Amino acid sequence: AQSVTQLDSQVPVFEEAPVELRCNYSSSVSVYLFWYVQYPNQGLQLLLKYLSGSTLVKSINGFEAEFNKSQTSFHLRKPSVHISDTAEYFCAVRSLSNDYKLSFGAGTTVTVRA
Amino acid sequence: GAGVSQSPSNKVTEKGKDVELRCDPISGHTALYWYRQSLGQGLEFLIYFQGNSAPDKSGLPSDRFSAERTGGSVSTLTIQRTQQEDSAVYLCASSLIRGNTEAFFGQGTRLTVV
Repeated sequence: AQSVTQLDSQVPVFEEAPVELRCNYSSSVSVYLFWYVQYPNQGLQLLLKYLSGSTLVKSINGFEAEFNKSQTSFHLRKPSVHISDTAEYFCAVRSLSNDYKLSFGAGTTVTVRA
Repeated sequence: GAGVSQSPSNKVTEKGKDVELRCDPISGHTALYWYRQSLGQGLEFLIYFQGNSAPDKSGLPSDRFSAERTGGSVSTLTIQRTQQEDSAVYLCASSLIRGNTEAFFGQGTRLTVV
């Protein structure tokens, strides 16, 4: 079984400031890692994922996450946020052997202020 | 359809009543998933369908919960004799096949049991 811990439930940040959302996971097997975003009144959307290869993965809107196997972490960062980044962000993992069940963290609400 | 569609978007029901939640996946997606998002918690896996069969029902919290999928398309999640602890957002997702393909989520049904 896998579990995911998102260390911050709320992250307020000013526009154009950097943000980091922390995600740690626990698993006895190798996993794939995901970040999903849920904008207000919308469904979850995949933001980025790590399956294999380079441990640094990037999204098209400036977010990046780095897989750190030794620290079992997959922290999400953006160097400069916009008001439109206000949303809830969920970290999720899935084992390589169980290829359909995602285990999610509790979510981090990012509020960007001008 | 263009995306995963869920209905109703909101449902208020009295304790003890039965409810049916509907999910219309993306056309051609063979895999379908139900998750539950309770206040302040991450998404909790309920059930997975491959075609019309459900190889994994392990997340259904009690025998009051059941789900079916017909024609490899629409799925219905039924909750019998609803309880207040059933109040949550119920999310449906679909993917082209199981495995490394992206899961697309609907906007969810917010169920409130009064």
